[in-house]
Amino acid sequence: KAGVTQTPRYLIKTRGQQVTLSCSPISGHRSVSWYQQTPGQGLQFLFEYFSETQRNKGNFPGRFSGRQFSNSRSEMNVSTLELGDSALYLCASSLFPTDTQYFGPGTRLTVL
Amino acid sequence: DAKTTQPPSMDCAEGRAANLPCNHSTISGNEYVYWYRQIHSQGPQYIIHGLKNNETNEMASLIITEDRKSSTLILPHATLRDTAVYYCIVRVASTGTASKLTFGTGTRLQVTL
Repeated sequence: KAGVTQTPRYLIKTRGQQVTLSCSPISGHRSVSWYQQTPGQGLQFLFEYFSETQRNKGNFPGRFSGRQFSNSRSEMNVSTLELGDSALYLCASSLFPTDTQYFGPGTRLTVL
Repeated sequence: DAKTTQPPSMDCAEGRAANLPCNHSTISGNEYVYWYRQIHSQGPQYIIHGLKNNETNEMASLIITEDRKSSTLILPHATLRDTAVYYCIVRVASTGTASKLTFGTGTRLQVTL
């Protein structure tokens, strides 16, 4: 069974731009969570989706948003990019929200 | 979710068992202990989890003390490819709202020849 896939793997943007990252969960998984990893803050929870509904949200500004589609694929969007948004963005999927989460390889975003 | 305490770093010789401790003294009765590892700049890899009984799979064993206040992840025969940051996480898995993973700083395991 294929794992979690994330596209693109690498991305370079400039300040003020916006970006959309994509995540395809493991087949059959209906829950998708997003995390941000930076050297200073470590791995931090962004938000979680299940059945196209956001169930949980971390402590991030409103510039960070996401959505989930009917096929469980998810996207996250960051608007008005700041230098501090440079990070590894990780997506994890699980069958249901309380099941074991399996991570994708991440998208490395660099903001110049 | 309960907080965990792990040593920042450990060394292990290749072929020997790596025993990674984790303290979770404030764990609640409905919280599981999860272990993940992250090899440099890759996504975290799930290893194992348990509630109160010891668990074993093809990757590792998880030993949870009877009072559940601490646990040990055991890699029975460490190899160079096991060099990674290991995260111990406690997580509620029986309700619908608190399902996120809260990562600490983990233990950096260095396996050497």
